[in-house]
Amino acid sequence: EVQVVESGGALVQPGGSLRLSCAASGFTLSSYWMHWVRQAPGKGLVWVSRSDNDGRSTSYADSVKGRFTMSRDNAKNTLYLQMNSLRAEDTAVYYCARDVPHRRFDPWGQGTLVIVSS
Amino acid sequence: DMQMTQSPSSLSASVGDRVTITCQASQDISNYLHWYQQKPGKAPKLLIYDASNLETGVPSRFSGSGSGTDFTFTISSLQPEDIATYYCQYYQDVPVTFGQGTRLEIK
Repeated sequence: EVQVVESGGALVQPGGSLRLSCAASGFTLSSYWMHWVRQAPGKGLVWVSRSDNDGRSTSYADSVKGRFTMSRDNAKNTLYLQMNSLRAEDTAVYYCARDVPHRRFDPWGQGTLVIVSS
Repeated sequence: DMQMTQSPSSLSASVGDRVTITCQASQDISNYLHWYQQKPGKAPKLLIYDASNLETGVPSRFSGSGSGTDFTFTISSLQPEDIATYYCQYYQDVPVTFGQGTRLEIK
């Protein structure tokens, strides 16, 4: 079964750091671009970042640029999101998603919750 | 950046009703438009890609149409299991843009 599973969400203080992981199974991570998308409580979906197949090219939303870093370890079939200088407005469920032909996102993981609060 | 205006923001309908949601792009996006369903507490699920193509395994009561700036998502006969929030998504390149979402409830 093709799936992605996020982990690493936690309660963290403003200004703190956190690293999220996204474990891929049922497919070879190195064959796909990947994305992170977040959803604040009760709000809509917001794109965060994208990585190409080998992680050499990454793109970020303006709201996280310079604070978040997306990377991957294709040998471990795992994607990461390093989040630094966290703010209250970063509080959200973070999803990873695979980028498949026709620029679709499929599948999505179940998400991992990040709460930034003192 | 591209703006996607989705409407309505919420909708209440009866089982068996025909339901329509619209998504308007701020510029011509050809058919780079997808539709997702998100049930409460769950991850989004792709339903329609490239504006009008039904994803494999998705019931045929779901459909999409449009091109350019105006798009429509339709449920031909609403079922109780269709209770969810629906999002349009534009993705040709980054940044990826989602509509604000339409919360669908059963009347």
